[in-house]
Amino acid sequence: GAVVSQHPSRVICKSGTSVKIECRSLDFQATTMFWYRQFPKQSLMLMATSNEGSKATYEQGVEKDKFLINHASLTLSTLTVTSAHPEDSSFYICSAQDRSEQYFGPGTRLTVT
Amino acid sequence: AQSVTQLDSQVPVFEEAPVELRCNYSSSVSVYLFWYVQYPNQGLQLLLKYLSGSTLVKGINGFEAEFNKSQTSFHLRKPSVHISDTAEYFCAVRFTGTASKLTFGTGTRLQVTL
Repeated sequence: GAVVSQHPSRVICKSGTSVKIECRSLDFQATTMFWYRQFPKQSLMLMATSNEGSKATYEQGVEKDKFLINHASLTLSTLTVTSAHPEDSSFYICSAQDRSEQYFGPGTRLTVT
Repeated sequence: AQSVTQLDSQVPVFEEAPVELRCNYSSSVSVYLFWYVQYPNQGLQLLLKYLSGSTLVKGINGFEAEFNKSQTSFHLRKPSVHISDTAEYFCAVRFTGTASKLTFGTGTRLQVTL
């Protein structure tokens, strides 16, 4: 099956710094990738839809200047959390679409101290 | 309004017993339905999906689900669970006309014990 990777799997950063998370589709090309956020014991909330070669589409309430998304190639999308604060601590999961199905990455645990 | 509901936040069950995890949705348009499993600190793995055709869908790990359009439900079942099935299960719906976006339910924690 299709494989999606995320890097890093865990990251701890200090408040005010920026963190970049990578999402890669390893064996297929994905024109569309998605970024989700998951709080402990809660469901996944879609943050944005990332389209290769164009601007991301953000869900209502998600700050696009804080969560920068770049989908520079058909196999790579990046999420940069700018000026991170403790409330940004969360589990971030990406997915990549291949035909009718989304394949999910293993997630990135971000802790902001 | 379009929504997905998983009424049971936790389902405790003994090993080798059957289990049903409930999922209901609300929609005025056609839907595609999915069940995912999430193990601790991991991403989501697709268990099964309904896109069209037979309303009874079989997935991996012995799970199956049945699409009931009149009851707007897509309940997940397994006739005999194993300890290793302990995980979080998410129902997800793609509403037609919303591109490829998935709307997730709040999840059901399946806890299998001896």
